[in-house]
Amino acid sequence: AQSVTQPDIHITVSEGASLELRCNYSYGATPYLFWYVQSPGQGLQLLLKYFSGDTLVQGIKGFEAEFKRSQSSFNLRKPSVHWSDAAEYFCAVGARDKIIFGKGTRLHILP
Amino acid sequence: SAVISQKPSRDICQRGTSLTIQCQVDSQVTMMFWYRQQPGQSLTLIATANQGSEATYESGFVIDKFPISRPNLTFSTLTVSNMSPEDSSIYLCSVEMPSHEQYFGPGTRLTVT
Repeated sequence: AQSVTQPDIHITVSEGASLELRCNYSYGATPYLFWYVQSPGQGLQLLLKYFSGDTLVQGIKGFEAEFKRSQSSFNLRKPSVHWSDAAEYFCAVGARDKIIFGKGTRLHILP
Repeated sequence: SAVISQKPSRDICQRGTSLTIQCQVDSQVTMMFWYRQQPGQSLTLIATANQGSEATYESGFVIDKFPISRPNLTFSTLTVSNMSPEDSSIYLCSVEMPSHEQYFGPGTRLTVT
């Protein structure tokens, strides 16, 4: 069965520091992988996606993610966070007909 | 990408009543989805709504409780029937583009008293 695990419920980093949010998935085939961000009171915005090809994908807002098949991981990174990055981040895995979301990681930014 | 709107953006309803949520997208799409996000939780898929066919419901969700309409390729409605406080959630619709990306509406925040 498909599943997504985000092991960190909360992450706190200082503004300007680097960030890595972890995501592990379980899926029987090569999955589609996504990262979404949800700011308080807002809908979900797609940050980036992986379907195939280059395992390092670039997204919006300076985010990138790396697909590692051997580790079943799709971790999200950003070299230098900004206060506006404080939000909830969801990793998701899917095939054409369904997307399964992780429980999310709430990112807090220290000034 | 797609621009998706939902109405209402929020509502407070009494238990036992029903609320219909509308989802409008600015382009024709085959697949639309309805999700529920309970307070502090992740998203749970309620059903998939394809135009011209019955909605497909996920385990734990039934048509009598969450009837869905999909009259054309740009519009769908979700009704939350006979509401109880446990139905207090954010309800989101999403669409899948030919690129397999899903885009989400802003959500409808429902409070049942």
